[in-house]
Amino acid sequence: DAGVIQSPRHEVTEMGQEVTLRCKPISGHNSLFWYRQTMMRGLELLIYFNNNVPIDDSGMPEDRFSAKMPNASFSTLKIQPSEPRDSAVYFCASGSPPQGQETQYFGPGTRLLVL
Amino acid sequence: GESVGLHLPTLSVQEGDNSIINCAYSNSASDYFIWYKQESGKGPQFIIDIRSNMDKRQGQRVTVLLNKTVKHLSLQIAATQPGDSAVYFCAENIDQAGTALIFGKGTTLSVSS
Repeated sequence: DAGVIQSPRHEVTEMGQEVTLRCKPISGHNSLFWYRQTMMRGLELLIYFNNNVPIDDSGMPEDRFSAKMPNASFSTLKIQPSEPRDSAVYFCASGSPPQGQETQYFGPGTRLLVL
Repeated sequence: GESVGLHLPTLSVQEGDNSIINCAYSNSASDYFIWYKQESGKGPQFIIDIRSNMDKRQGQRVTVLLNKTVKHLSLQIAATQPGDSAVYFCAENIDQAGTALIFGKGTTLSVSS
């Protein structure tokens, strides 16, 4: 099993540019999560999907952030326009709940630096 | 509001010692807890989980203890090795639908030889 795959692994961009982060969940998992990690705020849940449907996006910082899951094997997190305060590590995780609770498996993360 | 926190931000131990990492949670409705390990430059990695109908669960060199009375969770690592050096997070599930984990800030474990 390849695990959760994220791309790119590193992204450096300038303020105002659009950034697209990609995630391929573990095959067979029906839940997908996007997290942001910073030293100051730790791990923050941004949004999660069940069966490709967004369930809770209350963690999305603002309208500049959007996430999609067009099919069971692919999701994107887009930031437009990007700002320096968006610099963080963005993790994607997937899981499959037994009896309503689940373990989430994380990808390696995308390290984003907005200049 | 609900929160998951750790008693100590850092823990330093000698190789071979046993380590205990603590975590407090505030929501008595939480019924599923997970410990994750995050090494530098990597994503969090699942270590062990426990459901609220249990008070102890053992894995390979790791044991998780749950005290629902005082809303306390701990991770015990036996015979700590340098490879155990990492940040450890506890997480709780407060959503009965089953998918919203809330993470604590993390404890950094440093193991010296």
